[in-house]
Amino acid sequence: DTGVSQDPRHKITKRGQNVTFRCDPISEHNRLYWYRQTLGQGPEFLTYFQNEAQLEKSRLLSDRFSAERPKGSFSTLEIQRTEQGDSAMYLCASSPTGFEQYFGPGTRLTVT
Amino acid sequence: AQSVTQPDIHITVSEGASLELRCNYSYGATPYLFWYVQSPGQGLQLLLKYFSGDTLVQGIKGFEAEFKRSQSSFNLRKPSVHWSDAAEYFCAVGTDKLIFGTGTRLQVFP
Repeated sequence: DTGVSQDPRHKITKRGQNVTFRCDPISEHNRLYWYRQTLGQGPEFLTYFQNEAQLEKSRLLSDRFSAERPKGSFSTLEIQRTEQGDSAMYLCASSPTGFEQYFGPGTRLTVT
Repeated sequence: AQSVTQPDIHITVSEGASLELRCNYSYGATPYLFWYVQSPGQGLQLLLKYFSGDTLVQGIKGFEAEFKRSQSSFNLRKPSVHWSDAAEYFCAVGTDKLIFGTGTRLQVFP
């Protein structure tokens, strides 16, 4: 039974560069979520998909952020023109129903 | 406004002692409540959940939580803590868009 996987686990980038993260949900989970977690805080919701449809986006998701789930399976989260404030752990979760979410190990982004 | 409050930022207990982590929520509809655990540098693992029915719910690793609607609380308990329970614990409420508390860091002394 494979869980949610995320790639890469760690990313160091220079300010102004673009980065892309990938999330592979648990097989047959039709809902997929992205959260951001900064040091000492709980995760904050960014966006979620049901199949390939993006159903909700947080105000935290500025124009520099874009998420896709083109075939309703894996998802990507892209951050353009990264800023130091984007440094955080980016968590992906999936769910079969929307009532309980299973999280991946996260991608830690450091913007220098 | 919907929110989750975890009043204790850091708790220290001795191994074998009992544990209670507090969680209070504010949510307009019927709350769906969760406890997650996070080890350093890792993702979150679901410990237990409450949707409806019996207000005392059992989870993994010997944890349980009690939902008290009158107090808007969903406290996590364990009768005897193990050193491996040292981690960060998060309470969350919602469906799809989960709202998390700021977490309680548990330290366990031998």
